[in-house]
Amino acid sequence: SQTIHQWPATLVQPVGSPLSLECTVEGTSNPNLYWYRQAAGRGLQLLFYSVGIGQISSEVPQNLSASRPQDRQFILSSKKLLLSDSGFYLCAWSVIPGGRGDTQYFGPGTRLTVL
Amino acid sequence: DQQVKQNSPSLSVQEGRISILNCDYTNSMFDYFLWYKKYPAEGPTFLISISSIKDKNEDGRFTVFLNKSAKHLSLHIVPSQPGDSAVYFCAAQKGANNLFFGTGTRLTVIP
Repeated sequence: SQTIHQWPATLVQPVGSPLSLECTVEGTSNPNLYWYRQAAGRGLQLLFYSVGIGQISSEVPQNLSASRPQDRQFILSSKKLLLSDSGFYLCAWSVIPGGRGDTQYFGPGTRLTVL
Repeated sequence: DQQVKQNSPSLSVQEGRISILNCDYTNSMFDYFLWYKKYPAEGPTFLISISSIKDKNEDGRFTVFLNKSAKHLSLHIVPSQPGDSAVYFCAAQKGANNLFFGTGTRLTVIP
């Protein structure tokens, strides 16, 4: 069966520090991968999605970047965190490119607090 | 801009009674709507969906109603059980494009 892992579960970082959140998927090949964020008082918002190694699409301009160095690994990064980067970050995967939402499966998430 | 809104951050219901969670959207181009359920320390899991060509979809104790003219959907849980206590997100989609999520409603079912 397929599983998705995210770490860390919680993270507290100072403003201006770098960030690296990792997501890995097991049990499937060539998944589509997604990074979402829920900021305070907002719904989940799609940040990046990837249909293959090295292929990243950004949905919202921001202080973050994403990379996909391996088929089942998706990394969210920042060189310098801002207070506004605080939020709950979710990674998701699907096997259908841009498919309906019921085909996306979410990881447990990372709660990031920037102080 | 929030295109999908859940105006009730929390809801408490007695076990065995009906839970009604509401969701409003602003984009008339959305053609697919979903509800997700999230337990603490877990990611959201898909619960039930409805296409814009329907006004009702039922799956066991869960029923989703869609009112396109009002741009409103609701999730009914009957009867509510303590294990239903979780955060519920509604989401909307246009074609195969991005999902737009609401802010979530925390449901507490009281035994």
